[in-house]
Amino acid sequence: GNSVTQMEGPVTLSEEAFLTINCTYTATGYPSLFWYVQYPGEGLQLLLKATKADDKGSNKGFEATYRKETTSFHLEKGSVQVSDSAVYFCALSPSNTDKLIFGTGTRLQVFP
Amino acid sequence: DAGITQSPRYKITETGRQVTLMCHQTWSHSYMFWYRQDLGHGLRLIYYSAAADITDKGEVPDGYVVSRSKTENFPLTLESATRSQTSVYFCASSEAQGKGNTIYFGEGSWLTVV
Repeated sequence: GNSVTQMEGPVTLSEEAFLTINCTYTATGYPSLFWYVQYPGEGLQLLLKATKADDKGSNKGFEATYRKETTSFHLEKGSVQVSDSAVYFCALSPSNTDKLIFGTGTRLQVFP
Repeated sequence: DAGITQSPRYKITETGRQVTLMCHQTWSHSYMFWYRQDLGHGLRLIYYSAAADITDKGEVPDGYVVSRSKTENFPLTLESATRSQTSVYFCASSEAQGKGNTIYFGEGSWLTVV
């Protein structure tokens, strides 16, 4: 079946630190991969996506590369800010559908 | 640009009562979805709809009913609420079925069943 596994949080960092949030997936075929972000009290917003192997999604300084050989889509940012504090969800969309399958989410806390 | 609006945003109800969560989107997106968010589970799909009058079950449909008589509306009804249905509910929509299509989320409805 299809599933997404994320590292458990919370991830606690100081401002300007390097961020990595690990995400691995299990899927048949060629899924699309997504990172969504949820700020406190809000809905989910698309952060970035990649639709085929070796694609790199990027937005707001965040990056993730679709690695089919390791079935991974790790989220990275070179220098985090306090305003990046949120919950980050990795998700996949199987190749024949628009449905999203989510990981459990990783809370990021950034302190000044 | 209103996007997706959910109502009510916050609701407290009693066990056994019927509750309807409303979802309205202004984009004329074909696909609409209902997810619930629970600690330790992430988001799980309850029901989805590919178009008006077409609905299908997701991962956790038991205890819920949906309808889609108009493209822009996708209400979710809890026929007889239970405490296990205490959750945050998110409505979402996407333009069409296609690889990598972006799904847009509403702000959520916080439901507490006492």
